[in-house]
Amino acid sequence: NAGVTQTPKFQVLKTGQSMTLQCAQDMNHNSMYWYRQDPGMGLRLIYYSASEGTTDKGEVPNGYNVSRLNKREFSLRLESAAPSQTSVYFCASSFSTEGVSYGYTFGSGTRLTVV
Amino acid sequence: RKEVEQDPGPFNVPEGATVAFNCTYSNSASQSFFWYRQDCRKEPKLLMSVYSSGNEDGRFTAQLNRASQYISLLIRDSKLSDSATYLCVVNFMDSNYQLIWGAGTKLIIKP
Repeated sequence: NAGVTQTPKFQVLKTGQSMTLQCAQDMNHNSMYWYRQDPGMGLRLIYYSASEGTTDKGEVPNGYNVSRLNKREFSLRLESAAPSQTSVYFCASSFSTEGVSYGYTFGSGTRLTVV
Repeated sequence: RKEVEQDPGPFNVPEGATVAFNCTYSNSASQSFFWYRQDCRKEPKLLMSVYSSGNEDGRFTAQLNRASQYISLLIRDSKLSDSATYLCVVNFMDSNYQLIWGAGTKLIIKP
């Protein structure tokens, strides 16, 4: 079972360049999430999609946009990359109902460096 | 502000020993709790869900104390392979499906 698949695994961007991180899940989960993780810090939520057709800002949304393309796919776009966006990005999905998420399954992460 | 606090460690523990660490959370209106394990440069993986007063899975025991607003993780007979960072996660009732993550406790098991 593939679970949650993220691409690419590694990426180096120059300041000002744009890129889209792709995420797809095959577990029929209704909710999907994008996190970033910086050294020594907890996971910080960038954007989430509680269900197909909806997206909401998380804790650190500035500089990012998302698209919930369908139930399976949730992409993250950096329109103009900045060095402060150097981080490890994780996509996750979960089954959620009545405000409760029953645990997440994560993708393997994208290591992004902005120079 | 909803917060989840953990001792960052590292906890250096000899193989075979028992180790426990706690996690405190800020909001009493919390619905579900989880422990995740994260290996270096890998994604977090679910270790245990804690839905009631606590539960046990082999060498791992998770306890929930709602009155004092903390959860704990106990690892018995620790193995070298238990070396990882352990993340405490809380689903607050009014967080609209969002999980709030602690920064993690690093555990190093020494031979």
